[in-house]
Amino acid sequence: AQSVTQLDSQVPVFEEAPVELRCNYSSSVSVYLFWYVQYPNQGLQLLLKYLSGSTLVKGINGFEAEFNKSQTSFHLRKPSVHISDTAEYFCAVIQPLQGAQKLVFGQGTRLTINP
Amino acid sequence: DGGITQSPKYLFRKEGQNVTLSCEQNLNHDAMYWYRQDPGQGLRLIYYSQIVNDFQKGDIAEGYSVSREKKESFPLTVTSAQKNPTAFYLCASSRTGVTEKLFFGSGTQLSVL
Repeated sequence: AQSVTQLDSQVPVFEEAPVELRCNYSSSVSVYLFWYVQYPNQGLQLLLKYLSGSTLVKGINGFEAEFNKSQTSFHLRKPSVHISDTAEYFCAVIQPLQGAQKLVFGQGTRLTINP
Repeated sequence: DGGITQSPKYLFRKEGQNVTLSCEQNLNHDAMYWYRQDPGQGLRLIYYSQIVNDFQKGDIAEGYSVSREKKESFPLTVTSAQKNPTAFYLCASSRTGVTEKLFFGSGTQLSVL
């Protein structure tokens, strides 16, 4: 079954520094990958998704991710972070479920931006 | 504005009590989902529904029940059989399935008294 592993539970960075949040997946079939963001005390919002096509995916708020099939990775990057990027970030993959599909989420990476 | 509304924001359950969490959407989405979020564990799927009057169990359905009598509503009942109900519960919807963008509500924090 497909699953995702987020390698860092917490990532502290300084404002205006670049950041990379790491995500590895396991899958033997076609892969659909997502990054969602959760701001404090809120639900999740979709940042970006990879279904097919270009391996570099651009999302909202200046984030991008690269699908790397050989390394089974889908790392999220931003060249310069802002205080408002402080949030928890979840990588997710689609997994079959009873003839349908479900999203399987990683454990999350808490991004803290320091001034 | 279109979106998903969850209520209440905070809920307290006494031992042996059933409680119901509300989830309403006005996005005209067919699919709806309930997730449970525990610190450090990500989100786990409780139930999902792809169409009115139909729903399926997710990974952790024991101790929970749902109904989907209307397209816009997908309430979750946490029964007394759920021995560890304290968690943050998130409802989501999508137009058809999970390859589509999921829209999430702002969540309900359930605690045990």
